Amino acid sequence: ETGVTQTPRHLVMGMTNKKSLKCEQHLGHNAMYWYKQSAKKPLELMFVYSLEERVENNSVPSRFSPECPNSSHLFLHLHTLQPEDSALYLCASSQGRGTGELFFGEGSRLTVL
Amino acid sequence: TQLLEQSPQFLSIQEGENLTVYCNSSSVFSSLQWYRQEPGEGPVLLVTVVTGGEVKKLKRLTFQFGDARKDSSLHITAAQPGDTGLYLCAGAEYQGGSEKLVFGKGMKLTVNP
Repeated sequence: ETGVTQTPRHLVMGMTNKKSLKCEQHLGHNAMYWYKQSAKKPLELMFVYSLEERVENNSVPSRFSPECPNSSHLFLHLHTLQPEDSALYLCASSQGRGTGELFFGEGSRLTVL
Repeated sequence: TQLLEQSPQFLSIQEGENLTVYCNSSSVFSSLQWYRQEPGEGPVLLVTVVTGGEVKKLKRLTFQFGDARKDSSLHITAAQPGDTGLYLCAGAEYQGGSEKLVFGKGMKLTVNP
């Protein structure tokens, strides 16, 4: 496989569930990102990892918990979400932080009931 | 954080027509990217512009970076149904000693056969 892959592509969960989104990049990049995409809003940066170290957390609620075990994998752990958290969650990677040249995965469409 | 304003937000045209999309801000960007996102997919990088006044061409797509590096335009010649998608611009700017990426809300293009 090449590029950035995300699983699952679709997820429906209740407000009391715990689930995780997974992202894997096969590009040899050293920075990985989680973005949230909601209708009629710009892409919102959630977390940035550079060389497996979290370097940015944009005031994201604690019900979202990222994990980066190595430079190729990124997780987003979800628990006690709210219906307004329903959105498309996009993972991206880049060669070095600060470049605008991001390579995105196909996204995980999350619906919170 | 400055916003990137994209206009128009929606456009529905017939195959063969030309169109121009604008991306404007009051911020100066070190670089600006254009992405295209098709339904159910993640954004795909089309081009990066770095130098004020720079023009880049990608087949029927022409990208221009403003002289002051605050705005950009994307012109599509003889649009085809395959051009349908959400066009996003993103500017890289320095904030607090690090470079951050700011996205516009996007322009949703529909090209009808």
